[in-house]
Order: sequence, then structure tokens, then C-alpha cells
Amino acid sequence: AQKVTQAQTEISVVEKEDVTLDCVYETRDTTYYLFWYKQPPSGELVFLIRRNSFDEQNEISGRYSWNFQKSTSSFNFTITASQVVDSAVYFCALKSGGSNYKLTFGKGTLLTVNP
Amino acid sequence: SQTIHQWPATLVQPVGSPLSLECTVEGTSNPNLYWYRQAAGRGLQLLFYSVGIGQISSEVPQNLSASRPQDRQFILSSKKLLLSDSGFYLCAWSKGLNTGELFFGEGSRLTVL
Repeated sequence: AQKVTQAQTEISVVEKEDVTLDCVYETRDTTYYLFWYKQPPSGELVFLIRRNSFDEQNEISGRYSWNFQKSTSSFNFTITASQVVDSAVYFCALKSGGSNYKLTFGKGTLLTVNP
Repeated sequence: SQTIHQWPATLVQPVGSPLSLECTVEGTSNPNLYWYRQAAGRGLQLLFYSVGIGQISSEVPQNLSASRPQDRQFILSSKKLLLSDSGFYLCAWSKGLNTGELFFGEGSRLTVL
């Protein structure tokens, strides 16, 4: 069975602080994909990134960076110099390489960035 | 570019009334289509998915049903709503066998009274 754990239910930071959102996953598959989604107050989930299990290279996109470590089954997301517009619920998700349809989502982390 | 739309955005219905939520994808063909529900507490639950016209798979037994009458149209229905059907319903699409990333619609908030 697959499982995604986002232990941080809520995080509150002040603008310009760096913040890391944790994601730990469980799967028996050797091929799998990991994702992060952002859900702003409007409700629509926005795709941020996908990583496959064979690529542990960390990725940076502007103020966003992702740290994938298979040894600890973690796929953490860091926002540098946070801004108020980063306030949202962030979801980590996992998909088996053998399944073309099902994403298993974590319960999400509510990030509030205060001015 | 591809777009996905859901409607209505907000719905308040009495217990026992029927439901129809619609979702349409534009700019792509033969997408995989999904209905998710997000109840209080934020968890996302996959309700139905479809890999083609008329092909519907249900993930959990429930009061709801889904249909795909056209390639890019996905409908979520109920004959008689229950209080527990309240929630935020999200339609999504994906392309390809292994890419996996889902693209979501704006969501439909259903309140059953």
C-alpha cells in the first residue's frame, strides 16, 4: 500500500523567512513519481513539480526548491524568502509507476505567510 | 493550451435531492479524467476515474456515480444526496500512461442541508 505523510498540519511564518514543508512517503514500488501541488484559497490545485524515483537530483525553480532523498523516503519542499502570496495548502502526492491513474495525496500543510 | 472547467462553482442542495456536476476539458484528446472529493480536514479522496468514453472506475462505494458521455466531458451525479456528500469536488485530467501529473479544475463546493 502507498502512503504519504505530511506531519506538519499548519505552519506560520513571517514574510521573507525560509520555510520547509516535509513529505515522507511509503511504497513498495521501485518506480514511482512524487509530486507537489499548491492549493491557494481559491481552491484550485496547482501542479508544482514531478520527480521520478530514478532521479534524486534536487531541483530549484526560483524561490522554490525540492530535496528528494530515497534513503529517508522524503521529498521536502523549501520556499526561500517567503511571500504572502505563498500562503496556501501544499500537498505532496505519490504515484506508482505501474499505475496510470491514481495519485495518493498527503493530508496537506497549511502555510500562512504573515506580512 | 489545455483548460479544464467545472460547474457549478457553488451548490446548496437539500437532502434527498439529485446532483449533477459537470467537467469539461479543452485542448486535448482522450484524457484520463478524475473526480476527487476534499472533505473538511483537507484530505483528497479519489472517487472515480475514466480512461475513455463510457469507461468508469469507482474507487469507493458511495452514493455517487459518474459518467463520461463524451471524450472530454465527465459528470458526477447522485439520485439522492446525503448530508455526508457535502464537500469540495475537484475534477482533474491527465495525459499519458506514466506522466502522472493531474491538472485540476476550479472545484465545486457542495453543501447539503
